[in-house]
Amino acid sequence: AQKVTQAQTEISVVEKEDVTLDCVYETRDTTYYLFWYKQPPSGELVFLIRRNSFDEQNEISGRYSWNFQKSTSSFNFTITASQVVDSAVYFCALSEAGGSSNTGKLIFGQGTTLQVKP
Amino acid sequence: DSGVTQTPKHLITATGQRVTLRCSPRSGDLSVYWYQQSLDQGLQFLIQYYNGEERAKGNILERFSAQQFPDLHSELNLSSLELGDSALYFCASSVEARANYGYTFGSGTRLTVV
Repeated sequence: AQKVTQAQTEISVVEKEDVTLDCVYETRDTTYYLFWYKQPPSGELVFLIRRNSFDEQNEISGRYSWNFQKSTSSFNFTITASQVVDSAVYFCALSEAGGSSNTGKLIFGQGTTLQVKP
Repeated sequence: DSGVTQTPKHLITATGQRVTLRCSPRSGDLSVYWYQQSLDQGLQFLIQYYNGEERAKGNILERFSAQQFPDLHSELNLSSLELGDSALYFCASSVEARANYGYTFGSGTRLTVV
């Protein structure tokens, strides 16, 4: 069965600290996509990144970086030099895109609440 | 502005009532998705429509129903409301039927059942 686990419920850091949010997934498909979304206090869900199962290159976007490791079924997200504006709930999600799947259903983890204190 | 429009933003209603949540997808998007976000259940997929047809169904209660109209906007109808239906309901849209590229969410409708 498909599953996404974000074991860290809440993380609190002081501004400028680096922080890593963990995401572990389960799927039987060989083709799938992984996503991270951010939900700031205002409530909307903001797309951050997409990664397909055939691309294990790490990605860096400014202070954000993502580490995808198929061997451990993990897709971790690191914020370098965190800022107060990074305070939000972060969700990892999985989409199965191969085989007989022809839907757009995303399986979300429970989310990690990040609090960055000044 | 994500381009996905949800109305109303807030809704307060009594138990037993019926409400309709509305979603206009981003221009050009054919798929519409509905999700429920509650404190205890997290983000749960409810249903997907693609170009007017139901494509996938998730953990949607029988008291809930949805449809997508010819102009591609969608409505989620919630009836016989219970206190536990209080949640944030998100609509999202994408061009294709699969979520290969992820999708864009609206800002949500916060439903409070009292």
